[in-house]
Amino acid sequence: GQQVMQIPQYQHVQEGEDFTTYCNSSTTLSNIQWYKQRPGGHPVFLIQLVKSGEVKKQKRLTFQFGEAKKNSSLHITATQTTDVGTYFCAGRTGANNLFFGTGTRLTVIP
Amino acid sequence: NAGVTQTPKFQVLKTGQSMTLQCAQDMNHNSMYWYRQDPGMGLRLIYYSASEGTTDKGEVPNGYNVSRLNKREFSLRLESAAPSQTSVYFCASSTGQSNQPQHFGDGTRLSIL
Repeated sequence: GQQVMQIPQYQHVQEGEDFTTYCNSSTTLSNIQWYKQRPGGHPVFLIQLVKSGEVKKQKRLTFQFGEAKKNSSLHITATQTTDVGTYFCAGRTGANNLFFGTGTRLTVIP
Repeated sequence: NAGVTQTPKFQVLKTGQSMTLQCAQDMNHNSMYWYRQDPGMGLRLIYYSASEGTTDKGEVPNGYNVSRLNKREFSLRLESAAPSQTSVYFCASSTGQSNQPQHFGDGTRLSIL
């Protein structure tokens, strides 16, 4: 079955340092979505990538979709304490349901 | 606009007890989903309803049943709770189109002793 692996599982950074999480799929994806879950909260949609090689930015967040549409990354520049949470990628093949990655829990040390 | 509302927020059950988790959305979404979230395992799909009147199994359906009561409501039932079902349960909804995001409720934290 479809699997979406995400690394690292945990990441601790000093405030102001950069952070990256990587997502890899065993199959080609039609699109990939990213979600953020604050501690004790629920996942909240951040962005969707559809095209091969696509890059999108949201302020300090940069999202990339690989050329083969099997991997994706989220990069945060100069982390802030408000970035704390777990970041999930979720991939879809065709019209099928989303398969969520295992998530990367980000801790930002002030 | 409440979005997706789940009840209850917390529940403790004894092994063998049954209960129903409720979910309602007010966004006129066609599709609704039930996930469970366990440490280190991300979100796993239990059941989903692509549209009113239909339900389908997801990745981990064993031990659960669902009912799409109407377009707004999608309930998840545990007939005989087991400790392995201790988890956080999230309901989500979407328009059903593949390029649209899912909107999540606040979750139900369920412990089975």
